[in-house]
Amino acid sequence: AQTVTQSQPEMSVQEAETVTLSCTYDTSESDYYLFWYKQPPSRQMILVIRQEAYKQQNATENRFSVNFQKAAKSFSLKISDSQLGDAAMYFCAYRRITQGGSEKLVFGKGTKLTVNP
Amino acid sequence: DTAVSQTPKYLVTQMGNDKSIKCEQNLGHDTMYWYKQDSKKFLKIMFSYNNKELIINETVPNRFSPKSPDKAHLNLHINSLELGDSAVYFCASSPGILGSYNEQFFGPGTRLTVL
Repeated sequence: AQTVTQSQPEMSVQEAETVTLSCTYDTSESDYYLFWYKQPPSRQMILVIRQEAYKQQNATENRFSVNFQKAAKSFSLKISDSQLGDAAMYFCAYRRITQGGSEKLVFGKGTKLTVNP
Repeated sequence: DTAVSQTPKYLVTQMGNDKSIKCEQNLGHDTMYWYKQDSKKFLKIMFSYNNKELIINETVPNRFSPKSPDKAHLNLHINSLELGDSAVYFCASSPGILGSYNEQFFGPGTRLTVL
């Protein structure tokens, strides 16, 4: 079964600094999608970035980038120039296609990011 | 314009009551989901519907019954509410596995508190 592990329950970073959130996953599939979702105190789930496993190039979205290591099954999120608005829970998620042809997201337990002014 | 909406956003009720949460999406997606986020913030899928048909049911108690009157709506009815049902329930939608854009779009969540 696919599992997603986020080993850092909490992280903190100074404003304008860079922080990296870790995520590892377990799968026997060769093609899949990985996502980072952000959940601020408003509790809205917001997609930050996604990575397609067949693409070797790491995804980037403005200040957010990933380090995707397929062989190591690692998918870390780097936030550059951290801003106060980045403070939130961050969830790593694996998109699993079931045998019946449906899809679901399998989430890690989340990392709470605090940004200090 | 809201993509995935849920009502109500907050729900406080007594044990034993029956309650419903409604979800609507205006994205034209074929697939909709219910996820539960517990007090430790852990998110887990409960159900998935594709074009009104149930396709995922993740060992959820029978007290939970989803209903999809059309592919834009997915409601969740909960009978005989228990303390352990207190959580945030998220509705989500996606184009499904055939869609080229694989993001799941989430609603704002419904915080259910059972007293």
